[in-house]
Amino acid sequence: KNEVEQSPQNLTAQEGEFITINCSYSVGISALHWLQQHPGGGIVSLFMLSSGKKKHGRLIATINIQEKHSSLHITASHPRDSAVYICAVKRGGSQGNLIFGKGTKLSVKP
Amino acid sequence: EAGVTQFPSHSVIEKGQTVTLRCDPISGHDNLYWYRRVMGKEIKFLLHFVKESKQDESGMPNNRFLAERTGGTYSTLKVQPAELEDSGVYFCASSLAPQETQYFGPGTRLLVL
Repeated sequence: KNEVEQSPQNLTAQEGEFITINCSYSVGISALHWLQQHPGGGIVSLFMLSSGKKKHGRLIATINIQEKHSSLHITASHPRDSAVYICAVKRGGSQGNLIFGKGTKLSVKP
Repeated sequence: EAGVTQFPSHSVIEKGQTVTLRCDPISGHDNLYWYRRVMGKEIKFLLHFVKESKQDESGMPNNRFLAERTGGTYSTLKVQPAELEDSGVYFCASSLAPQETQYFGPGTRLLVL
């Protein structure tokens, strides 16, 4: 079993819907990242968090350290949000390398 | 400011050949990481440079892979000889410090036939 599990693997939504992507991990971490990868494109870091909640525009990321769980929320989803969203954790005490989930492929229909 | 760049964007080679991938990190970023995604799997860590030194190379799959970062600027990842299972997307990332945000390059898509 992978140390970082994401759900769902695939998600199709209608424009305007509220979207939640979940990430669970099984190791002690110093930080958790949410990344976005557009088709044919590179990877963009959306959030890095170690506690609580962060918000950027229509995106909100939360983390519960005790439960080893994080969620990424997208409010008022738009077709341009269609991408693969990847959860990655930095193991506690490590020098920086990340452990990745398999990603959630989001498709937002107009 | 330029982001992380990688060259080439695509490479198609035959089994047994050699391929060298290049990564140029963001200027001033001492930390440089190589990652790889093979088809259907999650992205996996290969190694981490701090300046020109290999800080962690625990993810390197075998001795067919050689990474260098002479001078602490750009890095190369050479695969020699390439095998079919080396096909995938190779990402490079850089950061100011290990605990800081990593900025990813666009990746090099390698196909070994």
